[in-house]
Amino acid sequence: GENVEQHPSTLSVQEGDSAVIKCTYSDSASNYFPWYKQELGKGPQLIIDIRSNVGEKKDQRIAVTLNKTAKHFSLHITETQPEDSAVYFCAANPGSSASKIIFGSGTRLSIRP
Amino acid sequence: NAGVMQNPRHLVRRRGQEARLRCSPMKGHSHVYWYRQLPEEGLKFMVYLQKENIIDESGMPKERFSAEFPKEGPSILRIQQVVRGDSAAYFCASSEGTDNSPLHFGNGTRLTVT
Repeated sequence: GENVEQHPSTLSVQEGDSAVIKCTYSDSASNYFPWYKQELGKGPQLIIDIRSNVGEKKDQRIAVTLNKTAKHFSLHITETQPEDSAVYFCAANPGSSASKIIFGSGTRLSIRP
Repeated sequence: NAGVMQNPRHLVRRRGQEARLRCSPMKGHSHVYWYRQLPEEGLKFMVYLQKENIIDESGMPKERFSAEFPKEGPSILRIQQVVRGDSAAYFCASSEGTDNSPLHFGNGTRLTVT
């Protein structure tokens, strides 16, 4: 089945700098890769997603890149702000299921003022 | 435009009791998913349901756990004879069910077994 690995587990960056979180997946048939942000005491919130027919997608300060050959995808946050502090999860759908998603282990991002 | 609603937000049960967790999907969504999150860990898939059907229960423990999504009313995740290891946050998500339609999550039920 699908296995999603995420690095780093913790990340601390200076406010205004960029943050990058990387994930790899194992199932070459996966074609949908969402990213979620989880704040304390809340459920995961979808912040951006990418499908396998594109290599990059951007939404304001957030961008995601996908390398299907290497089975890597990454989240880039530019001009970080204090409200970006949270736990971020990458996910991928198993090739056998177009609906459910499998999560990575999460990255705790802290923004230093 | 209400999102995914879960209740209760917090649930305390003694060992051996039953826990019932409820989830109402977003309006227009007919597919429901349950995930479990242990402290400082990621979300683990448990089960995927459509109305009156279990589509994928590959992540459900073989015993004591069951899920349903009846024709009317919320989806229910039921845990019988709870043990301390069942303490976790349980999240429900819903989607439109078309291929790769985004999953939208509720704020979870935090189960504590004493």
